[in-house]
Amino acid sequence: EPEVTQTPSHQVTQMGQEVILRCVPISNHLYFYWYRQILGQKVEFLVSFYNNEISEKSEIFDDQFSVERPDGSNFTLKIRSTKLEDSAMYFCASRGTVNEQFFGPGTRLTVL
Amino acid sequence: SQQGEEDPQALSIQEGENATMNCSYKTSINNLQWYRQNSGRGLVHLILIRSNEREKHSGRLRVTLDTSKKSSSLLITASRAADTASYFCATDVVAQKLVFGQGTRLTINP
Repeated sequence: EPEVTQTPSHQVTQMGQEVILRCVPISNHLYFYWYRQILGQKVEFLVSFYNNEISEKSEIFDDQFSVERPDGSNFTLKIRSTKLEDSAMYFCASRGTVNEQFFGPGTRLTVL
Repeated sequence: SQQGEEDPQALSIQEGENATMNCSYKTSINNLQWYRQNSGRGLVHLILIRSNEREKHSGRLRVTLDTSKKSSSLLITASRAADTASYFCATDVVAQKLVFGQGTRLTINP
């Protein structure tokens, strides 16, 4: 069964460093999403992406964040200058023509 | 209350019993989805119920939706130890994002 994959599973970085989180959505899906979950809190929407552009973004998704689909398979989330409060689990999701969003296993980002 | 609030926050039952979790929301929705998350892991999609549906079944799962009360329930019948996880409802207001609740932590005791 096709699934969303994410790499790395765990990323440790120093405050102020740039990180890129990578996702490979399900191959025939057209809509892509990033969510995050701070430890012990609920899952929060960050951004949605369709047709090579951002469809919607949350207040969390400020100028430090960017997304890109550099080729036909990858979907990336970049944080330019990480802060301590960016430490969280980041989930990528994708969906096709039906409304179910399928989530990847997540990348745990730890900012020191 | 916030969009997509579950109750109870935690539920502990004996294996074989049924588990019921509830979700309330505030705005009109296109659909409501339930997800499971094992500790520290990813989100597994369980079931989607559309706003014009009232009940849906999938295996041991039964989901109901009452749009007049803006609430949904997830029933897991004949629970197993492997059902131990956190369960989240997520509302799809526009097809661009899901709004998650805080979740219910379900523990199945052997």
